[in-house]
Amino acid sequence: EVQLVQSGAEVKKPGESLRISCKASGHTLNNYWIGWVRQMPGKGLEWIGLIYLRDSDTRYSPPFQGQVTISADESINTAYLQWSSLKASDTAMYYCARLEVVTGIPNYFDPWGQGSLVTVSS
Amino acid sequence: QSALTQPPSASGSPGQSVTISCTGSNSDVGGYNFVSWYQHHPGKAPKVIIYEVSKRPSGVPDRFSGAKSGNTASLTVSGLQAEDEADYYCSSYAGTNNLDLVFGGGTKLTVL
Repeated sequence: EVQLVQSGAEVKKPGESLRISCKASGHTLNNYWIGWVRQMPGKGLEWIGLIYLRDSDTRYSPPFQGQVTISADESINTAYLQWSSLKASDTAMYYCARLEVVTGIPNYFDPWGQGSLVTVSS
Repeated sequence: QSALTQPPSASGSPGQSVTISCTGSNSDVGGYNFVSWYQHHPGKAPKVIIYEVSKRPSGVPDRFSGAKSGNTASLTVSGLQAEDEADYYCSSYAGTNNLDLVFGGGTKLTVL
């Protein structure tokens, strides 16, 4: 059974950089897409983007293009989400999840990581 | 792409049935049978409960069922139980080369 374990909570100042991680255990993930999802305080889920671990093919939701970078290290079954210059509006819970893809079409996310809380405040 | 439209709240008494709607467009919900539903208890990871409109993953009670008509998908929870109180999100493939996905705004289900 695949489990996704995310890095812990972070408290950062505006302008700082950050990389959070999502590590798979229990099964190799190199033939899966991993997605990142944001949940801002009191708000719903938003899809950020996807990465295919085998070749690091990356796709971004338009609102997040250029705002974050998704990367991966296949050798350690880990995906990353990073910011070069955080803003207060980046404060949110961030989830990673494995995406089931059927004939090239994204189907559903399962399983999900436990979430990484990012707080950006001066 | 725009978020799918869900009612912000729904409620029912134990044992009753509740249906949550998820309205999109021809470009997402109405165009493809790749609608999924997630249950999210605060402080826990979201969990898929319905995929491909009406299929249930192993381990999900058959009290949860999904359907679709036109541009609107729906999730029905029958025989409400206290542990069903959670946030529910729909999601759909949005049909571009970018593997676009879109979520609904979420519905808070309260078991009275």
